[in-house]
Amino acid sequence: KNQVEQSPQSLIILEGKNCTLQCNYTVSPFSNLRWYKQDTGRGPVSLTIMTFSENTKSNGRYTATLDADTKQSSLHITASQLSDSASYICVVILYNQGGKLIFGQGTELSVKP
Amino acid sequence: ETGVTQSPTHLIKTRGQQVTLRCSSQSGHNTVSWYQQALGQGPQFIFQYYREEENGRGNFPPRFSGLQFPNYSSELNVNALELDDSALYLCASSLAGGYEQFFGPGTRLTVL
Repeated sequence: KNQVEQSPQSLIILEGKNCTLQCNYTVSPFSNLRWYKQDTGRGPVSLTIMTFSENTKSNGRYTATLDADTKQSSLHITASQLSDSASYICVVILYNQGGKLIFGQGTELSVKP
Repeated sequence: ETGVTQSPTHLIKTRGQQVTLRCSSQSGHNTVSWYQQALGQGPQFIFQYYREEENGRGNFPPRFSGLQFPNYSSELNVNALELDDSALYLCASSLAGGYEQFFGPGTRLTVL
């Protein structure tokens, strides 16, 4: 069964601190992996996209890593800001199946002043 | 902003009623996917439309149906609403062939 699991379920950090979110997947056939940020009550917005051959992808203070052998990905947020408070969703896209997405349940990040 | 719009933003219905949600895709995108997101959960795939035809469906009953129009906008219809249908409904538009999907802001449906 195609599954994407994220940890932790929720996280509280202080403004300015770093954090790392984890994603494990059992999805086949794999095309690419994306991290989305979703503000409360809004649609998800893409942060990074990685194919199986990419190990690291950065987008400003966000850095995603991918280990295709162990089927693990992480999203590292540097120097967190209050506006980083959101749900972060790991999404795996199936290969050659019309772009079908398999979503994780998300990690709820809360950045406190 | 992704250029994908949804209406209405919020909706309250009672059990047994029917609802229609609307989505306008980003300019040039011919594929629309619909997702249901329960509180605290990741989105669940409902179905996808490509060139006015259903092109894949998730594990949702037939009372969830859809349409895509020649301008690629789309509707999601839900009949005989149940309390568990309360959720954020997201649509996402893309080009065919697995290109990146761009999400709309969602419609929050509450079933009482």
